[in-house]
Amino acid sequence: EDQVTQSPEALRLQEGESSSLNCSYTVSGLRGLFWYRQDPGKGPEFLFTLYSAGEEKEKERLKATLTKKESFLHITAPKPEDSATYLCAVQDRGYQKVTFGTGTKLQVIP
Amino acid sequence: KAGVTQTPRYLIKTRGQQVTLSCSPISGHRSVSWYQQTPGQGLQFLFEYFSETQRNKGNFPGRFSGRQFSNSRSEMNVSTLELGDSALYLCASSWDRQGGNTEAFFGQGTRLTVV
Repeated sequence: EDQVTQSPEALRLQEGESSSLNCSYTVSGLRGLFWYRQDPGKGPEFLFTLYSAGEEKEKERLKATLTKKESFLHITAPKPEDSATYLCAVQDRGYQKVTFGTGTKLQVIP
Repeated sequence: KAGVTQTPRYLIKTRGQQVTLSCSPISGHRSVSWYQQTPGQGLQFLFEYFSETQRNKGNFPGRFSGRQFSNSRSEMNVSTLELGDSALYLCASSWDRQGGNTEAFFGQGTRLTVV
């Protein structure tokens, strides 16, 4: 069964303090790994899709990377508006079901 | 371009009742997936529909069901509601390409409270 583990569960950063969120996964065959951002009371907002080890994608202060066992979401010089829960999900190649991790709740303090 | 629309946004029901939630996907998207989100369990996959057929199903009891119409709009139904069914129900649509899902875009969700 596919599994996704995100760490840490919660992260508190000072504005401008860069850090990384981790997503470890187990999947029989990876079709894609997704990162989402979720604000309280809202649906997840799509950020990135990564398909193969070594792939990297960037958007503003966020950069996602992928290895064969894990993905990292690097946040450079975060701002308070980056505060949210970040979700990682994997889609397997065969069954094509999408499995989500429980997320990392990020708080950026001014 | 309109996003995924879910109705209603909020719902309060009594134990034993049934409920129907609606989802209108992004125009052109043919795949619709449903998820249940609770603080303790995170996002749990319910089922996925593509071209009016259920393609994947999660580990939920038969009280949870869904369907998709020819215009790709989808509904999910929960019968005999239990207190534990209180959750945020999320719908996601994606443009299915060559048999595989691309990234999914979520609606704002329906907050269901069972009392």
